[in-house]
Amino acid sequence: GENVEQHPSTLSVQEGDSAVIKCTYSDSASNYFPWYKQELGKGPQLIIDIRSNVGEKKDQRIAVTLNKTAKHFSLHITETQPEDSAVYFCAANSNSGYALNFGKGTSLLVTP
Amino acid sequence: NAGVTQTPKFQVLKTGQSMTLQCAQDMNHNSMYWYRQDPGMGLRLIYYSASEGTTDKGEVPNGYNVSRLNKREFSLRLESAAPSQTSVYFCASSEGSPYYSNQPQHFGDGTRLSIL
Repeated sequence: GENVEQHPSTLSVQEGDSAVIKCTYSDSASNYFPWYKQELGKGPQLIIDIRSNVGEKKDQRIAVTLNKTAKHFSLHITETQPEDSAVYFCAANSNSGYALNFGKGTSLLVTP
Repeated sequence: NAGVTQTPKFQVLKTGQSMTLQCAQDMNHNSMYWYRQDPGMGLRLIYYSASEGTTDKGEVPNGYNVSRLNKREFSLRLESAAPSQTSVYFCASSEGSPYYSNQPQHFGDGTRLSIL
């Protein structure tokens, strides 16, 4: 499948600060970009997604932005809390492969 | 609402043994998927199914077989387990087609498999 690059691989922030995770994709035909949160011992859970017809989407403390020209999208978490600590995955669909292509994940640690 | 249910949650096998991982979803989704998750590798697609009776290979299908028994159930079989197959296995489902999919996938909580 097409590559989805995700950075950083680890991120540590203090409670109340913001966290930003960035992803790039290679297939210009990609039009669906979900973000997943995975807590220890659990499966990935969808937290927000964005389609290519919008540039930004918000849901309370989380937001996703999409730059189709640059082929990158980002997850923004504001006012972080310890319960935001988890591994976050970005993904993108592709018309040259199958299903979704996932980034390798970002381990976010929010310290009190 | 159970969503995607995987059994067993944990399993230890010896090299050469066989086993089947079970997955069932109650969301009436057409598409189902099997992934493996290894440290630093993210989620890699093993096999997927667009509908009952159809299956396709993903990125890492070698050493695995699958069966889409009906719309609800999608099983993954290891015929002769190898240590390289030690991993966490996730099943997922989604609405619509898996090809150029623009629908969210819903994941189970995984099967943690160790092969000695």
